Amino acid sequence: KQEVTQIPAALSVPEGENLVLNCSFTDSAIYNLQWFRQDPGKGLTSLLLIQSSQREQTSGRLNASLDKSSGRSTLYIAASQPGDSATYLCAVRHGAGKSTFGDGTTLTVKP
Amino acid sequence: DAGVIQSPRHEVTEMGQEVTLRCKPISGHDYLFWYRQTMMRGLELLIYFNNNVPIDDSGMPEDRFSAKMPNASFSTLKIQPSEPRDSAVYFCASRLGGEQYFGPGTRLTVT
Repeated sequence: KQEVTQIPAALSVPEGENLVLNCSFTDSAIYNLQWFRQDPGKGLTSLLLIQSSQREQTSGRLNASLDKSSGRSTLYIAASQPGDSATYLCAVRHGAGKSTFGDGTTLTVKP
Repeated sequence: DAGVIQSPRHEVTEMGQEVTLRCKPISGHDYLFWYRQTMMRGLELLIYFNNNVPIDDSGMPEDRFSAKMPNASFSTLKIQPSEPRDSAVYFCASRLGGEQYFGPGTRLTVT
């Protein structure tokens, strides 16, 4: 059974700092990995999708990497802003069907 | 496209009442997922459909929960009878190919 872990559970940084969020999974036979952002009281917004054959994806200040062999993905946020404050979740998809979600990392960027 | 649409956005009901949550997926998407999110248990997959057919309902907590997808543009999640422990945010998501897209959620409170 796939298990997805996100560490740390919470992170607080000053504005402008570069930061890394971590996602680890136990079964490396994945189809893809997706990073989401969730604002309080809102739904999940897709940030980046990495296919199993890819090593990384970039969108603006965000860069996600994938290392299947070690069962890890990282989400790098450059030059963090207060507007980046949210909970970030990773989801690992196994095949044609369902994904397993981590519990998320709650990020606070202080002005 | 308007994205995944869920209704109602908020529902407050008394224990024992029937609750029906509705979802309209993004047009053309062939997968539909129902999730439940609580502080205690995080995001849980309840059931998912592929081309309107239920594929995996192992996450449905009890027989009180049922889901249908009568056509490609509509799905319902029904709880009958509802209990206070069903209070949560229920999300619907749809997918075509890689990325999963979430609706805004229905916040259910059972008193």
